[in-house]
Amino acid sequence: QSVLTQPPSTSGTPGQRVTISCSGGRSNIGANYVYWYQQFPGTAPKLLIYKNNQRPSGVPDRFSGSTSGTSASLAISGLRSEDEADYYCAAWDDRLYSRLFGGGTKVTVL
Amino acid sequence: EVQLVESGGGLVQPGGSLRISCEASGFTFSSYWMSWVRQAPGKGLEWVANIRQDGNEKYYLDSVKGRFTISRDNSRNSLYLQMNSLRADDTAVYFCARDPDYSTSDYWGQGTLVTVSS
Repeated sequence: QSVLTQPPSTSGTPGQRVTISCSGGRSNIGANYVYWYQQFPGTAPKLLIYKNNQRPSGVPDRFSGSTSGTSASLAISGLRSEDEADYYCAAWDDRLYSRLFGGGTKVTVL
Repeated sequence: EVQLVESGGGLVQPGGSLRISCEASGFTFSSYWMSWVRQAPGKGLEWVANIRQDGNEKYYLDSVKGRFTISRDNSRNSLYLQMNSLRADDTAVYFCARDPDYSTSDYWGQGTLVTVSS
């Protein structure tokens, strides 16, 4: 069971906006940056959002990240079929001295 | 172009040992923290360990402490994971990843599969 909690799945139609939540605690999300990764089946994860809300070069601005207290969110606006993938949040935990991942959220485009 | 290529995975019996490797290219290896992250079949990502640029600071997932050892050879641009006392629940694809700092990874290899089974 992951210390960072994400919904297992979410879905939307093309063009819609979907959000994925990531709930943690004071020693992880409450104290450190949150990162988001996108993973397609059978491939390596790709960094999508770093330091809570920053996008690496090449990531569309349809993807945005935010944090509030001990929770974080990833929003995908203008949902496209190619966004169908698994999404993971991650943060360092100061108490465990470990990097934590959320359990992952599968996004389905209907 | 950043490239990370893992090798050394395979089938090993419970209680056995295995050493997996990662060869890096396309960046200054000695300037980055490095990590191993694993993914069991059909499951999510799980961070395993990471190591500082000079090799003198390391962190491990609790369940692998005392069994796994992360190391690096900056002269060979290579990262290693020595895995001892392997258990069935260590079965996973093991990814090598580059870390801009200890808390995150920005580039990942394609992974090497480790299967622990009799």
